[in-house]
Amino acid sequence: QQPVQSPQAVILREGEDAVINCSSSKALYSVHWYRQKHGEAPVFLMILLKGGEQKGHDKISASFNEKKQQSSLYLTASQLSYSGTYFCGTDLDSGNMLTFGGGTRLMVKP
Amino acid sequence: NAGVMQNPRHLVRRRGQEARLRCSPMKGHSHVYWYRQLPEEGLKFMVYLQKENIIDESGMPKERFSAEFPKEGPSILRIQQVVRGDSAAYFCASSLATGNYGYTFGSGTRLTVV
Repeated sequence: QQPVQSPQAVILREGEDAVINCSSSKALYSVHWYRQKHGEAPVFLMILLKGGEQKGHDKISASFNEKKQQSSLYLTASQLSYSGTYFCGTDLDSGNMLTFGGGTRLMVKP
Repeated sequence: NAGVMQNPRHLVRRRGQEARLRCSPMKGHSHVYWYRQLPEEGLKFMVYLQKENIIDESGMPKERFSAEFPKEGPSILRIQQVVRGDSAAYFCASSLATGNYGYTFGSGTRLTVV
């Protein structure tokens, strides 16, 4: 079952914040986050394991609410380099086989 | 470390021909995954392999598509008798192990069927 991401697209000015959500209808073992720039390969950002953890990565952080089977990616003080499509990938059973959401297109303008 | 290497980067095939896509995982990675991506869409799982074993091929069409990851050499995704609908970007990813490890993706092979 494909996770659902929201919003589908967001436009920001440099320095603004954004939140991207990822919801699953099934119990999850972990959630991965990736960013893909146009014409390039997806790049791994972070992984969150069940247990409801929160992680940070410079000004990009994420949380995982195990009860709701939801993860959120937080981008603070956005930079032009944050532009791209963000995908969450969900793993149901630690087998590391990911099902990806449909993606959220983020555009940061000067 | 060269990362995940995919070749060719671009492949053009006529309808009915065969397409062979190659993927060499990162050094030390024994888990390989193939995904397909249509323009402006997400990544669709096709197949998960470990050395000499197909672990999960639930996302791969049963006809015309096959994958292998031999003991020596790269993983191969093979598409026989290609059709226009096979045109897409095919990404390979590798990981160190299961559980707590992120994927490293290759740059993809963009297949165009004419």
